[in-house]
Amino acid sequence: NAGVMQNPRHLVRRRGQEARLRCSPMKGHSHVYWYRQLPEEGLKFMVYLQKENIIDESGMPKERFSAEFPKEGPSILRIQQVVRGDSAAYFCASSPLRAGASTDTQYFGPGTRLTVL
Amino acid sequence: KQEVTQIPAALSVPEGENLVLNCSFTDSAIYNLQWFRQDPGKGLTSLLLIQSSQREQTSGRLNASLDKSSGRSTLYIAASQPGDSATYLCAVNSNYQLIWGAGTKLIIKP
Repeated sequence: NAGVMQNPRHLVRRRGQEARLRCSPMKGHSHVYWYRQLPEEGLKFMVYLQKENIIDESGMPKERFSAEFPKEGPSILRIQQVVRGDSAAYFCASSPLRAGASTDTQYFGPGTRLTVL
Repeated sequence: KQEVTQIPAALSVPEGENLVLNCSFTDSAIYNLQWFRQDPGKGLTSLLLIQSSQREQTSGRLNASLDKSSGRSTLYIAASQPGDSATYLCAVNSNYQLIWGAGTKLIIKP
């Protein structure tokens, strides 16, 4: 059973371009979470999605950021018109059960490191 | 609002020592607590997960404890090795969101 996959692992964009980060959850997992780790800072929750639904996007910036988890295919975190402050490591995690259940654990992907020039 | 604090922020010890990393959280209503390891520029490696009903978990030279009532967890590393050098992160699961500490950067000197 392959783990959580993220691609690309490294992404370089110039200011004003769009960044698309992909996350394929573990097989059988239908819950996806995105976290961001800014340089020299801790990880912060961004968004929680189930198939075709955004459950909680309270940690996501209101502008330029969007996320989706379609019925088929990977979850996508999209950043429009990137700025230097978007440079960070973006981690995706997946879980198999209803979020919050005491036996749930989140399995993390290797992350995508976004550099904005 | 849940807040997670890790002390110390950095720790440097000689090889072979036993050491303790601390994690505290402000809201005891948690589902579980997880310890991760992160190497520079790398991803997250899950070390131990403690469910809210558990007091401790062990894996090899690692032992993690949880005291929900006092809002504390410790990660004990026995017989430290240079390969243990990394940043150790504590994350609390309050309600599907993992709330993270800033980490303890550990250096084990040969």
